[in-house]
Amino acid sequence: AQKITQTQPGMFVQEKEAVTLDCTYDTSDQSYGLFWYKQPSSGEMIFLIYQGSYDEQNATEGRYSLNFQKARKSANLVISASQLGDSAMYFCAMREGGDSSYKLIFGSGTRLLVRP
Amino acid sequence: EPEVTQTPSHQVTQMGQEVILRCVPISNHLYFYWYRQILGQKVEFLVSFYNNEISEKSEIFDDQFSVERPDGSNFTLKIRSTKLEDSAMYFCASTTWGGGLENEQFFGPGTRLTVL
Repeated sequence: AQKITQTQPGMFVQEKEAVTLDCTYDTSDQSYGLFWYKQPSSGEMIFLIYQGSYDEQNATEGRYSLNFQKARKSANLVISASQLGDSAMYFCAMREGGDSSYKLIFGSGTRLLVRP
Repeated sequence: EPEVTQTPSHQVTQMGQEVILRCVPISNHLYFYWYRQILGQKVEFLVSFYNNEISEKSEIFDDQFSVERPDGSNFTLKIRSTKLEDSAMYFCASTTWGGGLENEQFFGPGTRLTVL
C-alpha cells in the first residue's frame, strides 16, 4: 500500500488565488512528521513546511499552510495568493517515528501551474 | 547559509561503466541520504548512512551500489556497472541529529545521471 498518496497529478490556479494540494498518508506509527517540498523546473528540492503528528495547530509558513486532519490522515498544502513563481512540482513526504533511519517517503507529486 | 553541494551536476556515461557521485553534506549534520528520481516520477529513498555505516537501504540499493564517507566531509555514491535504468536525478540529503522528527532534510541540487 502507498504510504503517501497525492491524487492530483496536475493543477491549475489563477494568479492571486488560493489553491489546495491534496495529500493523504498511511502509517501505524503514533509519532510521525509530514513535509511538503517544492521542486521547480531547475530540479532542486525546496523545503516548504512541516507538521508533526502531535502538533495541535496547523503549521503555517508565510503563504503556505498545512491543513492537517489527523483522523482522516490528510495533510493538504494550501498556497494563498498564488504567484507565477509557484509553478512547480510539489511533493508531500512523511517521516515515521518508528523508523530509525529517519528517511523521507515521498508521494508522486502534483504539478501546479499558475496562470497569469 | 550552509548548503549541501553535489558534483557533478550532470554525468553522462556508457552502460557498464562505473560512476561516482559526490556530495558534501552540511558540516555538523550526522545523517546522510541518497535519493533517486527517475524523470517525471517520485523521489525514492536509496540509502541512509549514520555513524560511518549504512543504517537502512531500499530494494533499489543492490550490490551494484555502495556509499562511502571517505574523509569526514565527502559522501559518495558509487554505481559499479551502470544500467540504462539507472538514468535518473540523484539527490544527496543530510540532517542534524535525527532525534527530532521535525529536523529538516537539506537536499543538494542533484546530479543528473544519463546512461547511454
